[in-house]
Amino acid sequence: GAVVSQHPSWVICKSGTSVKIECRSLDFQATTMFWYRQFPKQSLMLMATSNEGSKATYEQGVEKDKFLINHASLTLSTLTVTSAHPEDSSFYICSARPLDRFSYNEQFFGPGTRLTVL
Amino acid sequence: GEDVEQSLFLSVREGDSSVINCTYTDSSSTYLYWYKQEPGAGLQLLTYIFSNMDMKQDQRLTVLLNKKDKHLSLRIADTQTGDSAIYFCAESLGEDKFYFGSGTKLNVKP
Repeated sequence: GAVVSQHPSWVICKSGTSVKIECRSLDFQATTMFWYRQFPKQSLMLMATSNEGSKATYEQGVEKDKFLINHASLTLSTLTVTSAHPEDSSFYICSARPLDRFSYNEQFFGPGTRLTVL
Repeated sequence: GEDVEQSLFLSVREGDSSVINCTYTDSSSTYLYWYKQEPGAGLQLLTYIFSNMDMKQDQRLTVLLNKKDKHLSLRIADTQTGDSAIYFCAESLGEDKFYFGSGTKLNVKP
């Protein structure tokens, strides 16, 4: 149980286009999902916290108009990278915190989406 | 943000023990975690420890926590080639955000 999927697993797009990445909790409900960005050989950096039915909370330095987050249901959050540029190329990982939380605050991570902007 | 630091690389021979170290700065951490990331994949939770514990053992994994020094370690006994991956330590503050270390790349030589 506690599986999180992401779609697509990789995407290549042209500069200036928008890309949508989906994060789904497959067998549990998640009121809160998190979006991370990982540069090569670096750590995960939290971009935003996505709460079902409300606006996302963005970390300092993350442009909310650039990275649009929608958490429309208890099992789906989407991240849209608008007007993508090569510097947006990265590995994007989502995580989900179950509604019925385990005692150790675990977040379940998706497999990641590799975005390459040409 | 919080500072969580790890050494970048560790190389061991198959069958030896591996010890991966992590230091953190925020003493209000509630839980500390070790995650494993294989190439091109997401993060897999290996183990976690509550902040009021000193040690936790789970099969080949032993976690040691020194709260005074804000130091966390992960020991992998009898390391196998399949253990080669990047290992991240992370801390959570309350029930909200996770802060990750930079990751330690473990290379296991046959």
